[in-house]
Amino acid sequence: SSELTQDPAVSVALGQTVRITCQGDSLRSYYASWYQQKPGQAPVLVINGKNDRPSGIPDRFSASISGTTASLTITGTQAEDEADYYCNSRDSTGNYFVFGTGTKVTVL
Amino acid sequence: QVQLHQRGPGLLKPSETLSLSCAVYGGSFSGYYWTWIRQTPGRGLEWIGEVNHSGGTNYNPSLKSRVTISVDTSKNQFSLKLSSVSAADTAMYYCARGSRWLHRYFDFWGQGTLLTVSS
Repeated sequence: SSELTQDPAVSVALGQTVRITCQGDSLRSYYASWYQQKPGQAPVLVINGKNDRPSGIPDRFSASISGTTASLTITGTQAEDEADYYCNSRDSTGNYFVFGTGTKVTVL
Repeated sequence: QVQLHQRGPGLLKPSETLSLSCAVYGGSFSGYYWTWIRQTPGRGLEWIGEVNHSGGTNYNPSLKSRVTISVDTSKNQFSLKLSSVSAADTAMYYCARGSRWLHRYFDFWGQGTLLTVSS
């Protein structure tokens, strides 16, 4: 079972803001990175733990952390943002890596 | 631009050994953690393990007894071996590049290999 918990699904109206959360004890010590996955494709990094976006990722994606909860916020959500989103960080021992359970974002 | 290209079989019988390779094109090979990750509908994304350019490895404890990850720096390539596969190992397998940073992130991924284990 994953040590990083995400809400299974969230919906957002086109152009509105959505926040996706990731909860886990290891997040007190380690940053989370975030990945977008569309059907039939490999995951794509959208935010690394330093809150940097790789080249080509729009600036409507941002991340934050509070205690044991990391968040990915999409501001001004576009239709192409409809996808599954996963967080990733170290496990609670710090010795290996885990992914969140994933959140399906539906754009209405 | 860094590209990762995976090769390996998509169908195995129970008890066989999975062998996948991942060739890295572009960018530096040294200084990163070359990683295998798998995905199933039931277990989601699962980190399998990593190898650095010097051959140092780190494995998921749940798979450690069956996994070997190795590197061939002469070919800019790394490989995964998973022994004694069963239906539970049916998954999409990805190779990825892990950052040099303590707070690891995976910035480039292979195209994925769908493994089916069936008799």
